[in-house]
Amino acid sequence: GNSVTQMEGPVTLSEEAFLTINCTYTATGYPSLFWYVQYPGEGLQLLLKATKADDKGSNKGFEATYRKETTSFHLEKGSVQVSDSAVYFCALTSGSARQLTFGSGTQLTVLP
Amino acid sequence: NAGVTQTPKFQVLKTGQSMTLQCAQDMNHNSMYWYRQDPGMGLRLIYYSASEGTTDKGEVPNGYNVSRLNKREFSLRLESAAPSQTSVYFCASVGHLNTGELFFGEGSRLTVL
Repeated sequence: GNSVTQMEGPVTLSEEAFLTINCTYTATGYPSLFWYVQYPGEGLQLLLKATKADDKGSNKGFEATYRKETTSFHLEKGSVQVSDSAVYFCALTSGSARQLTFGSGTQLTVLP
Repeated sequence: NAGVTQTPKFQVLKTGQSMTLQCAQDMNHNSMYWYRQDPGMGLRLIYYSASEGTTDKGEVPNGYNVSRLNKREFSLRLESAAPSQTSVYFCASVGHLNTGELFFGEGSRLTVL
């Protein structure tokens, strides 16, 4: 079956630091990959996505590249802001699946 | 834009009581989902409805029932609440799953004493 493994949190960074949150996956077929973000007290919202190998998804300064050879989709941002503090979820869907499979989430706190 | 609306936002129950969480979406989406979110566990799928008139079990369906009342509404019922069901519950919907863009409600925080 499908599964997503994210790096353990929480992650605490200073403002303007570089961010990497690791995500690896196991899936049947050719999955589509996603990063969702959850701000405090809110539901999740889609941050970025990639639907085929070597695609790069990007949004709000965040990027992630679909690496089929390493089954990874790591999230990066060059300079984080306090407003980026949130929980980040990696997710995938593939084949005939009628649902998304989510990772366990990584809490990010950015300090001023 | 209302999007996905969940009610209630907060609820406290005693063990054995029943309750229904309501969810409605105004985006004409086909598929709707109920998740629970627990610390360290991420999101776990309880039930989903791929289209009006169908429902399927997810990863953790025990102790829950659902009803897809119409295309807009998808309710989650706890018949006899247990402390293990203390959680934050999220409803979500999507038009076409291959887009990956699930739209989530703001969540319902349930405490079972």
